[in-house]
Amino acid sequence: GAVVSQHPSWVICKSGTSVKIECRSLDFQATTMFWYRQFPKQSLMLMATSNEGSKATYEQGVEKDKFLINHASLTLSTLTVTSAHPEDSSFYICSASPGANVLTFGAGSRLTVL
Amino acid sequence: AQSVTQLGSHVSVSEGALVLLRCNYSSSVPPYLFWYVQYPNQGLQLLLKYTTGATLVKGINGFEAEFKKSETSFHLTKPSAHMSDAAEYFCAVSVGASGTYKYIFGTGTRLKVLA
Repeated sequence: GAVVSQHPSWVICKSGTSVKIECRSLDFQATTMFWYRQFPKQSLMLMATSNEGSKATYEQGVEKDKFLINHASLTLSTLTVTSAHPEDSSFYICSASPGANVLTFGAGSRLTVL
Repeated sequence: AQSVTQLGSHVSVSEGALVLLRCNYSSSVPPYLFWYVQYPNQGLQLLLKYTTGATLVKGINGFEAEFKKSETSFHLTKPSAHMSDAAEYFCAVSVGASGTYKYIFGTGTRLKVLA
């Protein structure tokens, strides 16, 4: 079946540094990918829509300069958390659609900023 | 605007008992509805979906859900709970036209299965 892979699964960084999270569609092409953020014991909040070959579309309230998204190819989107701070600590999940009106989600990346 | 409401943030059932997780939606267009399950520190796995056609939808692991337009509901059920069903369950509605895949999620229901 369709698989979306995220890397890394876990990352710990110091405050002020930048962290890159990769999202790959392993066996299908995705012109669009979606990045979600999930706080502990809460629901998923859509952060942005990543579009291959063009700028990402950010949801209201999401800082585009803080969360840089690059969709370099039909199988890869990256989320870079710039100048990370403890409040950016969260579970980040990407998703993409292999078709059939459904989203496939990655396993998530847990970011802890010290 | 589309929205999803999940009643009950926590549900406990005994092993072998009926599982009922409630989801109500609001949508200005015919909705696409989904149930996903999330295990700790993992992504979301699709249980089932409703797009068009038959209103009773069967999914994986014995789960099913019924789309009731008159009640704007899409409740998830399973006749007999298993210990492995303990997880977080999310109902979602697709926003906008089909194919946009912009989902709005409910707040989730944590299912606990008691031995």
